[in-house]
Amino acid sequence: DTAVSQTPKYLVTQMGNDKSIKCEQNLGHDTMYWYKQDSKKFLKIMFSYNNKELIINETVPNRFSPKSPDKAHLNLHINSLELGDSAVYFCASSLTQGAGTEAFFGQGTRLTVV
Amino acid sequence: SQQGEEDPQALSIQEGENATMNCSYKTSINNLQWYRQNSGRGLVHLILIRSNEREKHSGRLRVTLDTSKKSSSLLITASRAADTASYFCATDGKDSGYSTLTFGKGTMLLVSP
Repeated sequence: DTAVSQTPKYLVTQMGNDKSIKCEQNLGHDTMYWYKQDSKKFLKIMFSYNNKELIINETVPNRFSPKSPDKAHLNLHINSLELGDSAVYFCASSLTQGAGTEAFFGQGTRLTVV
Repeated sequence: SQQGEEDPQALSIQEGENATMNCSYKTSINNLQWYRQNSGRGLVHLILIRSNEREKHSGRLRVTLDTSKKSSSLLITASRAADTASYFCATDGKDSGYSTLTFGKGTMLLVSP
C-alpha cells in the first residue's frame, strides 16, 4: 500500500501549457505539502495545507495553484508553464501541523518543460 | 530561505567504514530531522532529534545536536552499499507560526562494495 502517491511520475510538456499533478495520502494525516527540488537537489517548500486549508504559501508565482478537495488529496495545477518550472515536485504529508512530526514523501513528479 | 547546510557535499567510502555527515543551520529550532533520498525516489525519514536532546541512536545511525553551535551530525556505522543515497537534514523552525521543514542541499554518499 502506497502511503503518499502522486501522479504522474514523469511529465514532459511545452512552454505555455497548463498541467496538473495529483497527490493522495492514505495515512489519515491532517497536513499535506508540496515541495520543489531543483537540479541541484535543493528542496524548497511551496505550499502547506492543514485540513484542506492553506496555511503556508512560500512566495510561489500565482501560476501555481494548489487545491485540496479533502484532507487526503492535494493537487497542484500549474498555468503557463515556463522553462524554469522544470524540476521534481514532491508531495508530502504529516500527521499534524505541529512541530516534531515527520513528513512522508511521495515518489516525486519529474516535470520537464521544453 | 535555506536553513540547513550539509557538509560534505559528497562522500565516497568503502563498505564497512563509517560515514559522517554534518549539518549547520542558522535560526532557533524545535527539532532537526534527517532524511535519505535514493536516486529517483522520494525522501524517507530516518531520525528526529529535539532541541533539548544532544544525541540519539537508531540502529546503525547516530545523530548529535549542538544547539550552541547550531550544528548536527549523522553517523552511519558499518556502512553498506545499500546506504548509497543523498542525505538531507531538515530543521523545524521555532520562529515561524507554523511548523515547516527547511531542508539543506544534502550530502551524496557513495558506498562501494
